[in-house]
Amino acid sequence: EVQLVESGGGVVQPGGSLRLSCAASGFTFDDYSMHWVRQAPGKGLEWVSFINWDGGDTYYAESVKGRFTISRDNSKNSLYLQMKSLRTEDTALYYCVKDLAAAGTEGADYWGQGTLVTVSS
Amino acid sequence: SYELTQPPSVSVSPGQTARITCSGDALPKQFAHWYQQKPGQAPVLVVYKDSERPSGIPERFSGSSSGTTVTLTISGVQAEDEADYYCQSRDNSDSFHVVFGGGTKLTVL
Repeated sequence: EVQLVESGGGVVQPGGSLRLSCAASGFTFDDYSMHWVRQAPGKGLEWVSFINWDGGDTYYAESVKGRFTISRDNSKNSLYLQMKSLRTEDTALYYCVKDLAAAGTEGADYWGQGTLVTVSS
Repeated sequence: SYELTQPPSVSVSPGQTARITCSGDALPKQFAHWYQQKPGQAPVLVVYKDSERPSGIPERFSGSSSGTTVTLTISGVQAEDEADYYCQSRDNSDSFHVVFGGGTKLTVL
């Protein structure tokens, strides 16, 4: 059974930092691309970042470029999102998402339950 | 920045057919995928690569593409299909931006 378990969310002040982690199991982690997708309370889905199977290709939404860094450790079956210079508009539930593809994107077939990030003074 | 446009809401009676559209300039060249999200739950992939259906998804869910518009069709709608539906695709640029539509609330009357 595929499982994606996020952790690391919490309450942080504007300008602060957080590191999200996602522990993956039930599939061959280094065969697939991964994403982070977020959803602000009561709002729609927003794509945040993408990383291909070996970490060689990474991409970001304009709203987080230069502040967030996606990475993966295939030896630990783990995905990460380092978030810096956090803003109130970054408040959201952050989902770890598995893609059907190894490189590029062909649809996200598994989603974690999310970890909540709240940016507030 | 690239955008995908969906209607905010669609309403149908049980047993009828629901069609949810998603429009975007890059859709003739890029695949679209559809997700169902029920309150308090993570999204679920219901159609990928325009018209492919993942295992475990009922046959009443189907997808199609025509020019700059993709359509999710739910035939014989059931009460359990009431949810938010999102399309997703990417732009044509080398910078690889993934985009979600704004979502469509499907109400089963």
